[in-house]
Amino acid sequence: KNQVEQSPQSLIILEGKNCTLQCNYTVSPFSNLRWYKQDTGRGPVSLTIMTFSENTKSNGRYTATLDADTKQSSLHITASQLSDSASYICVVSAKTGTASKLTFGTGTRLQVTL
Amino acid sequence: NAGVTQTPKFQVLKTGQSMTLQCAQDMNHNSMYWYRQDPGMGLRLIYYSASEGTTDKGEVPNGYNVSRLNKREFSLRLESAAPSQTSVYFCASSERLAGGETQYFGPGTRLLVL
Repeated sequence: KNQVEQSPQSLIILEGKNCTLQCNYTVSPFSNLRWYKQDTGRGPVSLTIMTFSENTKSNGRYTATLDADTKQSSLHITASQLSDSASYICVVSAKTGTASKLTFGTGTRLQVTL
Repeated sequence: NAGVTQTPKFQVLKTGQSMTLQCAQDMNHNSMYWYRQDPGMGLRLIYYSASEGTTDKGEVPNGYNVSRLNKREFSLRLESAAPSQTSVYFCASSERLAGGETQYFGPGTRLLVL
């Protein structure tokens, strides 16, 4: 069964600090991995999408890494801001013929405080 | 561009009542999706539409029906609501039904079934 596990479940950090969120997956056959940011009361918004051959991808202060051998990904947030407070969801896509099946993690809830 | 819009934003139903959740996108996307999001669980796919005129079941289709009215609109109907359908419902769209496509999500409909 395809699974995506994220850790930690929740995290509180001070503004200006860095943090790293983890995503482990057992999805086969792997197609790509995405990170989404979901603000409270809003729909998820895509941050990055990474394919098998990509190890690192950045989007401003967000940097995602992918280790396809160990089936792990991380999302690093640099110099956190209050607006980074949100849930971060890891989504892994499995290629199934002409379609794709997405498996969503339960998310890491990040709170950035003063 | 409004992106993906959903109506209503919030709804309270009594057990056994019916309702239709509306979704529209203005990005000329071919594929559209309906998800539900419950506490402690990842987003789960209810139904999807690869292109205008086609619909397919997702992971949790029981108790729901969908209509792809045209390229822009994709509605979700609950014929006889049950308390287990209390959830937040998200509509999403993507250019194609392919693993590499970014999905764009609407703001969600919060449904409470009493």
